[in-house]
Amino acid sequence: AQKITQTQPGMFVQEKEAVTLDCTYDTSDQSYGLFWYKQPSSGEMIFLIYQGSYDEQNATEGRYSLNFQKARKSANLVISASQLGDSAMYFCALPREAGTALIFGKGTTLSVSS
Amino acid sequence: EPEVTQTPSHQVTQMGQEVILRCVPISNHLYFYWYRQILGQKVEFLVSFYNNEISEKSEIFDDQFSVERPDGSNFTLKIRSTKLEDSAMYFCASSPGQSSYNSPLHFGNGTRLTVT
Repeated sequence: AQKITQTQPGMFVQEKEAVTLDCTYDTSDQSYGLFWYKQPSSGEMIFLIYQGSYDEQNATEGRYSLNFQKARKSANLVISASQLGDSAMYFCALPREAGTALIFGKGTTLSVSS
Repeated sequence: EPEVTQTPSHQVTQMGQEVILRCVPISNHLYFYWYRQILGQKVEFLVSFYNNEISEKSEIFDDQFSVERPDGSNFTLKIRSTKLEDSAMYFCASSPGQSSYNSPLHFGNGTRLTVT
């Protein structure tokens, strides 16, 4: 069955450090995309970055990058040079099998301190 | 930048009452979704809507729920007889294409539903 797993309920990092948020998944789709979203304490869901399963390069978007290992079915989010504003919940997401809607992992709460 | 708009931001209702949550998706988007998030928990898929009909739904989306796109801009979620466990943040989202083709969902700010 399709599944997204985020094993780190909480991560703590200091400003300017890099942090990796883990995501593993399982799907029977041959072609799929992986998404990361940020949810600050204000509650909105903000799209951060996308990785296609057939993309040859790991996705990057500013300070965000994906460490995508297709064979291991993992798509870890790397945030470089953390900022206080990065403190939020982060969700990994994957399309439902043969569908369009995304399913989300349980999320990781990131706390950045000065 | 265009955005998904949800109203109201907070709705309080009594158990057994009907509620309608409203959303205005981004105008050129074709796929529409409702999700819910019980406080502090994961974001759960309810239903997706494409070409004026439901295209997918989860096991959560039972007969108590319905969706409608009554005109060219609004997208609504109706809960017929609310239960205490329906208390959650409800998010509307839209996308221009299928999410498997680099088409992320754009979320509204949510409606917090409190059932008393």
